[in-house]
Amino acid sequence: KQEVTQIPAALSVPEGENLVLNCSFTDSAIYNLQWFRQDPGKGLTSLLLIQSSQREQTSGRLNASLDKSSGRSTLYIAASQPGDSATYLCAPGGGYNKLIFGAGTRLAVHP
Amino acid sequence: NAGVTQTPKFRILKIGQSMTLQCTQDMNHNYMYWYRQDPGMGLKLIYYSVGAGITDKGEVPNGYNVSRSTTEDFPLRLELAAPSQTSVYFCASSAPGTEGYGYTFGSGTRLTVV
Repeated sequence: KQEVTQIPAALSVPEGENLVLNCSFTDSAIYNLQWFRQDPGKGLTSLLLIQSSQREQTSGRLNASLDKSSGRSTLYIAASQPGDSATYLCAPGGGYNKLIFGAGTRLAVHP
Repeated sequence: NAGVTQTPKFRILKIGQSMTLQCTQDMNHNYMYWYRQDPGMGLKLIYYSVGAGITDKGEVPNGYNVSRSTTEDFPLRLELAAPSQTSVYFCASSAPGTEGYGYTFGSGTRLTVV
């Protein structure tokens, strides 16, 4: 059974810092891995999707890496801004693109 | 382009009542899903569908039923509501193919069972 762990559970940083959010998963037989952002009381917004054959994906200030064999993914956020404050969820995808979610990293970026 | 639309946004049910959460998507996606999210937790898969007429159980299906008569609609039925079903419910869709299996989520239904 796939289990997903995200570290740290919460993070509070001053604006401008470069951030590292970690995700580990127990079953490496995945098709892809997605990172999502969730604002309080809102739905999920897809940030990045990495196919199992890829090592990383980039979108603006976000970069996500995937090491499938070791069951790890990392989300890097460059030059953090207050608008980045949200919960970030990691989700490896299996057959039929079913996702297993971690509990998330709650990020607060203060001015 | 509305994406994934869920109704209602909020609902309070009494123990033992039943209700249907509606979900519709206009992107012609084959795959649709229902997840629930408890406070401070990630999402857990309740049911999913890979096309009209085809549904299957996810991680936490007990107490729920689904149907998929059209590509667009994927309603979730709660029978005999229990306090343990108090949660936020998200419907989502995705399209298999070279574009990458990206997900689109609805905005959620916040359900309280009292």
